[in-house]
Amino acid sequence: DAGVIQSPRHEVTEMGQEVTLRCKPISGHDYLFWYRQTMMRGLELLIYFNNNVPIDDSGMPEDRFSAKMPNASFSTLKIQPSEPRDSAVYFCASSFIGGNQPQHFGDGTRLSIL
Amino acid sequence: RKEVEQDPGPFNVPEGATVAFNCTYSNSASQSFFWYRQDCRKEPKLLMSVYSSGNEDGRFTAQLNRASQYISLLIRDSKLSDSATYLCVVILYNNNDMRFGAGTRLTVKP
Repeated sequence: DAGVIQSPRHEVTEMGQEVTLRCKPISGHDYLFWYRQTMMRGLELLIYFNNNVPIDDSGMPEDRFSAKMPNASFSTLKIQPSEPRDSAVYFCASSFIGGNQPQHFGDGTRLSIL
Repeated sequence: RKEVEQDPGPFNVPEGATVAFNCTYSNSASQSFFWYRQDCRKEPKLLMSVYSSGNEDGRFTAQLNRASQYISLLIRDSKLSDSATYLCVVILYNNNDMRFGAGTRLTVKP
C-alpha cells in the first residue's frame, strides 16, 4: 500500500522565492496534517484538515504560510515569500477516522532557503 | 511548562542492556498516547500505542500512569538497530492535535 507521498524530497531556493510543498495522503484517511521539524524547536504542528476543511491553523507561523486541500487526495503548503528561518524539514501526515488514531508520516521535504 | 516533556538524552547503552524512557504530559485531558521512533533524517514512524493497562510488543513494553501523568517505554535486550530517537506523543480526546515530545536519543553500542 502506498503511504503518504510528499514532493519534492529536497528543495533549495533563494530567499524571497515562493515555495510549494505537496502531499498526497493515504487513500481513505480523512485527516491531513502539516508539521515542521527543526533541531531547535522539534516537531511542530502547523495546520490540520478534516475532510479537506482546515480545522486548526494556529500553528502556522505567519501570513507568509498558507495551506490548501482542494480534494481528498492532495494538499499544498506554500511559503511566500520564503526566508532563511523557514529552513526545516516539513512533514505531511494523515490518519484514519476518529480522533485517536495514530498518524502516518510522509518522507518529508527538506527545505533550505539561502 | 511544555505540554510533553522528555529527557533528550543521549542514552548510550551496550547491546543487550535494558533501557527505559519516561515522558510526562501536562494536560490531564489527554486520552491517547503513542511512542514513535525516528531514525536520522527519516520520518517519525509509529512504534506502539500505549494502553491504560500497559502493553508489550516483543522487547518493547509501554506503560501509562494517569495519576502521575507520564508514560514510559522499556526496551529489553537492546539491539544496535534500536538506535534512534524515540518520540512521546499525546493527543487530546476527540482532537487530532498530536503533541510530540522533543524526543529521547538512544545509541546502542556493540
